[in-house]
Amino acid sequence: EDQVTQSPEALRLQEGESSSLNCSYTVSGLRGLFWYRQDPGKGPEFLFTLYSAGEEKEKERLKATLTKKESFLHITAPKPEDSATYLCAVKAGGTSYGKLTFGQGTILTVHP
Amino acid sequence: SAVISQKPSRDICQRGTSLTIQCQVDSQVTMMFWYRQQPGQSLTLIATANQGSEATYESGFVIDKFPISRPNLTFSTLTVSNLSPEDSSIYLCSTGSGTANTEAFFGQGTRLTVV
Repeated sequence: EDQVTQSPEALRLQEGESSSLNCSYTVSGLRGLFWYRQDPGKGPEFLFTLYSAGEEKEKERLKATLTKKESFLHITAPKPEDSATYLCAVKAGGTSYGKLTFGQGTILTVHP
Repeated sequence: SAVISQKPSRDICQRGTSLTIQCQVDSQVTMMFWYRQQPGQSLTLIATANQGSEATYESGFVIDKFPISRPNLTFSTLTVSNLSPEDSSIYLCSTGSGTANTEAFFGQGTRLTVV
């Protein structure tokens, strides 16, 4: 069974204090690892898809990396507007319809 | 990217009634997905809807409780039937980009409260 575990559950940072969020996964044939941002009362906002170990993607202050067992979302010099829940999800091979399995999320709070 | 419009954004329903949620995509997509997000929890897939075929339900979800329609390549509905307070959740529709399904986008969600 596909599993996704995110850590920490919650992270509190000061503005400008860089850090990383972790997403560990076990899946039979990874077809993609997805990162989302979710603000309260809203649907998840797509950030990145990573497909193979060693791949990296960047968007503004965010950088996602992927290994064979985990992914990291690095946040450089965060701002209060980066406060949100960050979700990680995987799409497994062998499924023809693109089902995503989600982790529990990391609640990020950035204090000014 | 796909833009997904979901209605209603929220509703309060009496137990025993049903709620139908609509999901409209701004482009034709092969697959649409319906997720549930219970309070403080992450997303759980309810079912996958392909146009012209029966929806595929995940373990723990049944068609009688969550009937789904997919009349064309841009639209789907999810009905939550015979509501109980345990059905209070956020319901989200999702789709990939075209047939490649390399990305996945979500609607804004429907917050359902059952009283």
